[in-house]
Formats: sequence, C-alpha cells, structure tokens
Amino acid sequence: NAGVTQTPKFQVLKTGQSMTLQCAQDMNHEYMSWYRQDPGMGLRLIHYSVGAGITDQGEVPNGYNVSRSTTEDFPLRLLSAAPSQTSVYFCASSEAGTGQETQYFGPGTRLLVL
Amino acid sequence: GENVEQHPSTLSVQEGDSAVIKCTYSDSASNYFPWYKQELGKRPQLIIDIRSNVGEKKDQRIAVTLNKTAKHFSLHITETQPEDSAVYFCAALASGGSYIPTFGRGTSLIVHP
Repeated sequence: NAGVTQTPKFQVLKTGQSMTLQCAQDMNHEYMSWYRQDPGMGLRLIHYSVGAGITDQGEVPNGYNVSRSTTEDFPLRLLSAAPSQTSVYFCASSEAGTGQETQYFGPGTRLLVL
Repeated sequence: GENVEQHPSTLSVQEGDSAVIKCTYSDSASNYFPWYKQELGKRPQLIIDIRSNVGEKKDQRIAVTLNKTAKHFSLHITETQPEDSAVYFCAALASGGSYIPTFGRGTSLIVHP
C-alpha cells in the first residue's frame, strides 16, 4: 500500500493564480481531511469528507474548495491564491469507527504564494 | 466546537531528562485523545493514544495520563534521547460522533546531547 499520497511536493504561485492540490489514499478509508500547518498554529482543519459525495467545512475554509467524487481522491482547490495561503498542506485519511481513529497523513505540499 | 490548548510551545531538555507536555480540552463529549509526533520535514505520525475509560497508558519510554474531571491529558517521555526531538501534537475527538480530531498547536521538544 502506498498509503496517503500528495502532489505536488512543492509549488510556487503568484497572487491570483489557481491550482489544485492532489490527495489520494489506497486504504479504502471513509474519512479524508485537509489541514494547513503554519508556525505556532498547529494543524488547522480546512475541509473534510466523511465519504464520497459528502464534504464539510473545517476551521479555516475560506479560499478553498473540495470535492469527493471517489473514495480514493480528495483534491483541494485554491480559487485565487493569496500570500496568506503560504503554508504546508497535509491531507489525512482515517476509518470511521471506534478503534479506527488513527489519522494517516500524506507527506505534505509546501506552497509559496508570491 | 472542541478547543484544545497545548503547553508549552517549546520544551528544551538534556538527554536523559524527562519531558512532560500538557493539553486541555473543552468538549465533554471527547473520548479519544491521540498524540502525534512530527519530525522535521516529515508527516505527523501517531505515537500513543488513550481513551476516556482509561487513566494511564504506557508504551516503553512514553506514557499518557488523562484526567476526565479536569479535562486535561499529558504526554510523559522518560530518559529522553536526541531522536525524541520533534514537534508533538495532542488531539481530541468524539469517537462515535465526529471522527475528525481537533489538534493542539504543538510543542517543539529539543533534546540536547
């Protein structure tokens, strides 16, 4: 199993550009989430999904869109990049069920918005 | 929603010393409390967890304690080693309800040889 994969590893954008961060998992997990990590701010939840076709907002959803058309994929779209979106983005997946709560993180995407 | 506070933000110890990181949570419905370790440039990974029906759990040099009444839980690392240097995150979630954890802001642990 590859686990959780993310592409790209690193990206530089100009203000106003759009892009999609890709996330895929091969563990058949129901839950998938996107977090951003900024110094001193921990892991903040952007959006999450509890299954194909179902998404919901997290703590910091503004400026981001998500969709979940398949169990495996959960892309994150930046509509119009801003310098405040410079961050490291982590995708995570987990099963749903007591005893299955472990979050499996992808390797992260480092995004720089100029 | 849940709010998780984590202290300290930075912890510096000498090799062989013990380290303690403390977290508090606000939602009494939370019943599962994991700890994740993130080494520099790597992804967070689960190192230990505890459920609300248990007061303490140990795994070799690491242990976690939980006080449900006070709504706080702690990570204890004994006989610290340089490879313990990392950022540690606590989290809380309501297993059986939302399976999405709320994370603390992290503690940067530095172990000096």
